[in-house]
Amino acid sequence: QVQLQESGPGLVKPSQTLSLTCSVSGDSVSIGRYYWSWVRQPAGKGLEWIGRIYSGGSTSYNPSLKSRVTVSLDTSTNQFSLRLSSVTAADTAVYYCAREWGVRRYFDSWGQGTLVAVSS
Amino acid sequence: DIQLTQSPSSLSAAVGDSVTITCRASQIISSFVNWYQQRPGKAPELLIYAASNLKSGVPSRFSGSVSGPNFTLSISSLQPEDFAIYHCQQSYSSPVSFGGGTKVEF
Repeated sequence: QVQLQESGPGLVKPSQTLSLTCSVSGDSVSIGRYYWSWVRQPAGKGLEWIGRIYSGGSTSYNPSLKSRVTVSLDTSTNQFSLRLSSVTAADTAVYYCAREWGVRRYFDSWGQGTLVAVSS
Repeated sequence: DIQLTQSPSSLSAAVGDSVTITCRASQIISSFVNWYQQRPGKAPELLIYAASNLKSGVPSRFSGSVSGPNFTLSISSLQPEDFAIYHCQQSYSSPVSFGGGTKVEF
Protein backbone atom coordinates (compact mmCIF):
# COMPACT_ATOMS: atom_id res chain seq x y z
CA GLN A 1 0.00 0.00 0.00
CA VAL A 2 1.49 3.30 -1.10
CA GLN A 3 1.90 6.06 1.49
CA LEU A 4 2.79 9.70 0.91
CA GLN A 5 3.98 12.17 3.51
CA GLU A 6 4.53 15.90 3.06
CA SER A 7 7.22 17.77 4.96
CA GLY A 8 8.49 21.33 5.06
CA PRO A 9 8.16 24.66 6.85
CA GLY A 10 4.74 25.63 8.11
CA LEU A 11 5.46 29.35 7.84
CA VAL A 12 6.94 31.28 4.93
CA LYS A 13 7.48 35.00 4.65
CA PRO A 14 5.92 36.98 1.80
CA SER A 15 8.05 37.16 -1.36
CA GLN A 16 10.06 34.10 -0.29
CA THR A 17 9.97 30.58 -1.73
CA LEU A 18 7.79 27.81 -0.36
CA SER A 19 9.52 24.41 -0.45
CA LEU A 20 7.86 21.09 0.33
CA THR A 21 8.92 17.49 -0.06
CA CYS A 22 6.77 14.40 -0.45
CA SER A 23 8.22 11.10 0.73
CA VAL A 24 6.78 8.04 -0.96
CA SER A 25 6.76 4.53 0.46
CA GLY A 26 5.22 1.37 -0.94
CA ASP A 27 5.80 2.45 -4.55
CA SER A 28 8.62 3.80 -6.66
CA VAL A 29 8.51 7.28 -8.15
CA SER A 30 10.75 6.01 -10.94
CA ILE A 31 8.18 3.50 -12.28
CA GLY A 32 6.28 4.99 -15.16
CA ARG A 33 2.68 4.11 -14.39
CA TYR A 34 1.92 7.21 -12.35
CA TYR A 35 2.35 10.93 -12.18
CA TRP A 36 3.27 12.59 -8.90
CA SER A 37 1.27 15.72 -8.18
CA TRP A 38 0.74 18.61 -5.83
CA VAL A 39 -2.72 19.95 -4.94
CA ARG A 40 -3.58 22.73 -2.52
CA GLN A 41 -6.66 23.83 -0.61
CA PRO A 42 -7.09 27.24 1.06
CA ALA A 43 -9.09 27.11 4.26
CA GLY A 44 -12.79 26.59 3.54
CA LYS A 45 -12.25 26.51 -0.21
CA GLY A 46 -11.95 24.02 -3.03
CA LEU A 47 -9.03 22.04 -4.37
CA GLU A 48 -6.52 23.45 -6.87
CA TRP A 49 -4.09 21.33 -8.86
CA ILE A 50 -0.60 22.86 -8.86
CA GLY A 51 1.55 20.60 -11.01
CA ARG A 52 2.88 17.11 -11.67
CA ILE A 53 5.99 15.22 -12.63
CA TYR A 54 6.40 11.94 -14.45
CA SER A 55 9.00 9.30 -13.73
CA GLY A 56 11.11 10.43 -16.66
CA GLY A 57 11.19 13.96 -15.31
CA SER A 58 8.68 15.64 -17.60
CA THR A 59 6.51 18.20 -15.84
CA SER A 60 3.18 19.92 -16.30
CA TYR A 61 1.93 22.94 -14.37
CA ASN A 62 -1.28 24.82 -13.83
CA PRO A 63 -1.01 27.91 -16.05
CA SER A 64 -2.28 30.05 -13.19
CA LEU A 65 0.89 29.22 -11.22
CA LYS A 66 3.31 28.15 -13.93
CA SER A 67 5.64 31.14 -13.70
CA ARG A 68 6.28 30.45 -10.01
CA VAL A 69 6.22 26.64 -9.72
CA THR A 70 8.85 23.94 -10.00
CA VAL A 71 8.21 20.26 -9.30
CA SER A 72 11.21 17.95 -9.17
CA LEU A 73 11.95 14.28 -8.58
CA ASP A 74 14.65 12.55 -6.54
CA THR A 75 14.65 8.87 -7.42
CA SER A 76 17.53 8.12 -5.03
CA THR A 77 15.38 9.05 -2.04
CA ASN A 78 12.01 8.20 -3.61
CA GLN A 79 10.77 11.74 -3.08
CA PHE A 80 9.40 14.57 -5.13
CA SER A 81 9.34 18.25 -4.28
CA LEU A 82 7.49 21.50 -4.81
CA ARG A 83 8.94 24.98 -4.98
CA LEU A 84 6.63 27.99 -5.22
CA SER A 85 8.38 31.34 -5.49
CA SER A 86 7.32 34.88 -4.63
CA VAL A 87 4.59 33.76 -2.27
CA THR A 88 1.84 36.00 -0.95
CA ALA A 89 -0.93 35.53 1.60
CA ALA A 90 -3.05 34.05 -1.21
CA ASP A 91 -0.73 31.04 -1.21
CA THR A 92 -1.69 30.13 2.36
CA ALA A 93 -3.26 26.69 2.12
CA VAL A 94 -3.05 23.04 2.99
CA TYR A 95 -0.72 21.45 0.46
CA TYR A 96 -1.20 17.82 -0.52
CA CYS A 97 1.00 15.52 -2.51
CA ALA A 98 -0.81 12.83 -4.44
CA ARG A 99 -0.29 9.93 -6.80
CA GLU A 100 -2.06 10.41 -10.10
CA TRP A 101 -3.00 7.49 -12.35
CA GLY A 102 -1.61 8.43 -15.69
CA VAL A 103 -4.33 7.17 -18.03
CA ARG A 104 -7.45 8.53 -16.40
CA ARG A 105 -5.74 11.23 -14.35
CA TYR A 106 -7.40 10.53 -11.03
CA PHE A 107 -5.67 10.89 -7.68
CA ASP A 108 -5.77 7.48 -6.03
CA SER A 109 -3.51 8.16 -3.03
CA TRP A 110 -2.93 11.33 -1.04
CA GLY A 111 -0.64 12.52 1.70
CA GLN A 112 -2.23 13.81 4.89
CA GLY A 113 -1.55 17.40 3.89
CA THR A 114 0.56 20.14 5.45
CA LEU A 115 -0.57 23.66 6.28
CA VAL A 116 1.65 26.40 4.97
CA ALA A 117 0.96 29.94 6.11
CA VAL A 118 2.43 32.96 4.39
CA SER A 119 2.96 35.73 6.90
CA SER A 120 5.63 38.13 8.04
CA ASP B 1 -9.84 25.69 -19.10
CA ILE B 2 -12.78 23.46 -18.21
CA GLN B 3 -14.99 24.72 -15.38
CA LEU B 4 -16.97 22.43 -13.08
CA THR B 5 -20.03 23.71 -11.27
CA GLN B 6 -21.16 21.62 -8.34
CA SER B 7 -24.62 21.82 -6.84
CA PRO B 8 -25.78 22.18 -4.24
CA SER B 9 -22.90 23.73 -2.30
CA SER B 10 -24.35 22.18 0.84
CA LEU B 11 -27.25 19.98 1.83
CA SER B 12 -28.80 18.73 5.03
CA ALA B 13 -29.74 15.10 5.39
CA ALA B 14 -30.33 12.39 7.95
CA VAL B 15 -28.97 8.91 8.39
CA GLY B 16 -30.77 6.61 5.97
CA ASP B 17 -31.56 9.35 3.43
CA SER B 18 -30.57 9.20 -0.22
CA VAL B 19 -28.81 12.23 -1.69
CA THR B 20 -27.69 13.33 -5.14
CA ILE B 21 -24.88 15.76 -5.99
CA THR B 22 -24.47 17.22 -9.47
CA CYS B 23 -21.36 18.40 -11.26
CA ARG B 24 -21.84 20.26 -14.53
CA ALA B 25 -18.94 20.70 -16.92
CA SER B 26 -18.50 23.76 -19.13
CA GLN B 27 -18.17 21.47 -22.14
CA ILE B 28 -18.67 17.82 -23.03
CA ILE B 29 -15.89 15.82 -21.40
CA SER B 30 -17.01 12.25 -22.07
CA SER B 31 -16.67 10.25 -18.84
CA PHE B 32 -13.58 12.04 -17.51
CA VAL B 33 -14.92 12.90 -14.07
CA ASN B 34 -13.80 11.53 -10.73
CA TRP B 35 -15.37 11.96 -7.31
CA TYR B 36 -13.70 12.33 -3.91
CA GLN B 37 -14.86 12.34 -0.30
CA GLN B 38 -13.14 14.61 2.21
CA ARG B 39 -13.82 14.20 5.91
CA PRO B 40 -13.02 17.10 8.27
CA GLY B 41 -9.30 17.65 8.68
CA LYS B 42 -8.45 14.82 6.29
CA ALA B 43 -7.18 14.47 2.76
CA PRO B 44 -9.62 13.72 -0.05
CA GLU B 45 -10.18 10.06 -0.87
CA LEU B 46 -11.10 8.69 -4.29
CA LEU B 47 -14.62 7.25 -4.46
CA ILE B 48 -15.45 6.97 -8.15
CA TYR B 49 -13.34 7.28 -11.29
CA ALA B 50 -14.32 7.63 -14.94
CA ALA B 51 -17.80 8.83 -13.96
CA SER B 52 -19.22 5.53 -12.76
CA ASN B 53 -16.46 3.14 -11.64
CA LEU B 54 -16.36 2.47 -7.91
CA LYS B 55 -12.90 2.32 -6.41
CA SER B 56 -12.21 -1.04 -4.80
CA GLY B 57 -13.38 -1.06 -1.19
CA VAL B 58 -15.85 1.80 -1.56
CA PRO B 59 -19.35 0.81 -0.35
CA SER B 60 -21.90 0.08 -3.04
CA ARG B 61 -24.26 2.75 -1.69
CA PHE B 62 -22.11 5.18 -3.67
CA SER B 63 -22.73 5.42 -7.40
CA GLY B 64 -21.94 7.77 -10.26
CA SER B 65 -23.51 8.50 -13.62
CA VAL B 66 -23.20 10.86 -16.56
CA SER B 67 -25.60 12.46 -19.00
CA GLY B 68 -24.03 14.88 -21.46
CA PRO B 69 -22.15 17.54 -19.48
CA ASN B 70 -23.88 16.57 -16.21
CA PHE B 71 -22.32 14.16 -13.74
CA THR B 72 -24.08 12.80 -10.69
CA LEU B 73 -22.87 11.27 -7.44
CA SER B 74 -25.58 9.42 -5.57
CA ILE B 75 -25.45 8.09 -2.05
CA SER B 76 -28.21 5.76 -0.95
CA SER B 77 -28.95 5.17 2.73
CA LEU B 78 -26.55 7.73 4.22
CA GLN B 79 -24.37 6.46 7.03
CA PRO B 80 -22.83 8.61 9.80
CA GLU B 81 -19.40 8.37 8.19
CA ASP B 82 -20.78 9.80 4.92
CA PHE B 83 -21.22 13.28 6.33
CA ALA B 84 -18.36 15.00 4.57
CA ILE B 85 -17.46 17.23 1.62
CA TYR B 86 -17.62 15.75 -1.86
CA HIS B 87 -15.54 17.04 -4.76
CA CYS B 88 -15.77 16.33 -8.46
CA GLN B 89 -12.69 16.55 -10.69
CA GLN B 90 -12.33 16.64 -14.46
CA SER B 91 -9.42 14.85 -16.06
CA TYR B 92 -10.39 15.46 -19.70
CA SER B 93 -7.82 18.15 -20.28
CA SER B 94 -4.99 19.91 -18.53
CA PRO B 95 -5.09 21.66 -16.17
CA VAL B 96 -7.22 19.14 -14.30
CA SER B 97 -9.73 21.02 -12.19
CA PHE B 98 -12.15 20.50 -9.34
CA GLY B 99 -15.66 21.61 -8.54
CA GLY B 100 -16.29 23.84 -5.56
CA GLY B 101 -17.35 20.99 -3.31
CA THR B 102 -20.62 19.91 -1.70
CA LYS B 103 -20.91 19.66 2.06
CA VAL B 104 -23.28 16.95 3.27
CA GLU B 105 -24.30 17.68 6.85
CA PHE B 106 -26.98 16.88 9.39
